[in-house]
Amino acid sequence: SQTIHQWPATLVQPVGSPLSLECTVEGTSNPNLYWYRQAAGRGLQLLFYSVGIGQISSEVPQNLSASRPQDRQFILSSKKLLLSDSGFYLCAWSRDRGTDTQYFGPGTRLTVL
Amino acid sequence: DAKTTQPTSMDCAEGRAANLPCNHSTISGNEYVYWYRQIHSQGPQYIIHGLKNNETNEMASLIITEDRKSSTLILPHATLRDTAVYYCIVGRGATNKLIFGTGTLLAVQP
Repeated sequence: SQTIHQWPATLVQPVGSPLSLECTVEGTSNPNLYWYRQAAGRGLQLLFYSVGIGQISSEVPQNLSASRPQDRQFILSSKKLLLSDSGFYLCAWSRDRGTDTQYFGPGTRLTVL
Repeated sequence: DAKTTQPTSMDCAEGRAANLPCNHSTISGNEYVYWYRQIHSQGPQYIIHGLKNNETNEMASLIITEDRKSSTLILPHATLRDTAVYYCIVGRGATNKLIFGTGTLLAVQP
């Protein structure tokens, strides 16, 4: 069976500090991978998606970036965090077929102070 | 922007059926309807999806109108653990990008 992991589960960072969130998927190969952000009381906003190693598409302009160094590893980064970067970050995966559903990880709650 | 419209909140008595409506009047012919739910502070959980026909699985039933402009998610016997935000989403892109709206907060009452 497939599982998706995210870490850390929670993170408190000062403004201006760097960020690295990691997501890994087990039990499948060549998945589509996604990063979402959910601000408090809001819906999910798609930030990045990837259809393969080194292939990243950005959905919204921001000071965040994503990388996919390995087939089942997806990393969300920032060089300098802003207060507005606080939120619940979710990683998801889907099979490489257009109609398949997305499966979400447990999320990382980021607080920028 | 989300392509769906859902009520902001609904209540349901424990043990009764919960019927969650969703309008998607601009859905195109090759787009699926997906339902997810999110329990507080957890990642969204896939429930069910469909194209034209009604669908049923161990969690819920999905009823899609003939014109596909609306659908209803049915939880046949709601429990307290079904309290969550339920998202109705339409989409089918090359990467299957899903656009989440704000969903319906279903509160199951004892």
